[in-house]
Amino acid sequence: GESVGLHLPTLSVQEGDNSIINCAYSNSASDYFIWYKQESGKGPQFIIDIRSNMDKRQGQRVTVLLNKTVKHLSLQIAATQPGDSAVYFCAERGTNAGKSTFGDGTTLTVKP
Amino acid sequence: GAGVSQSPSNKVTEKGKDVELRCDPISGHTALYWYRQSLGQGLEFLIYFQGNSAPDKSGLPSDRFSAERTGGSVSTLTIQRTQQEDSAVYLCASSLGTGGLGYTFGSGTRLTVV
Repeated sequence: GESVGLHLPTLSVQEGDNSIINCAYSNSASDYFIWYKQESGKGPQFIIDIRSNMDKRQGQRVTVLLNKTVKHLSLQIAATQPGDSAVYFCAERGTNAGKSTFGDGTTLTVKP
Repeated sequence: GAGVSQSPSNKVTEKGKDVELRCDPISGHTALYWYRQSLGQGLEFLIYFQGNSAPDKSGLPSDRFSAERTGGSVSTLTIQRTQQEDSAVYLCASSLGTGGLGYTFGSGTRLTVV
């Protein structure tokens, strides 16, 4: 199954389905956005990034979409696998801001 | 090193004691960040170092928290007179610079104040 729209703290999908994880950001000056994956007991791991002059970027099985008009970011995972189960965070950074601001995170659970 | 190394991985301390958390960033990474993650929560920015510039301390929650970075490499986060609300996972990250680059995180130090 898929989920679009508002940010959800948890998302449960069936193995093989596509997942969509949403994130809303607040700073209109942010020009760089990143998705991180955090597995239990580990630090967040970089997945994919996108700059504000783009609206879509694809990686291996993942796609990030950016809608600057409504300040919305999404991460699409194709053919979700059990190893994708983790907490996913979006992060934003402004041009002159060294630090990133992280969203609340979405816990993705993949059911076999 | 190959990744960001943090030590200790776990620390249990008594309320009122001081603790030091260490971070070894990736060699050559000029930017170093400390974040705090409470149980089930997102990442809260604490402090960031970039090269020889003055650190951005805007996220430190109180004057009991301080951090230094020696020789542009290793960083130590110090919490004085620890309180139970300081219990969290403290994450360190580094990046090559600050301009549009993702972080590489360490595995964190889980601090428990009893």
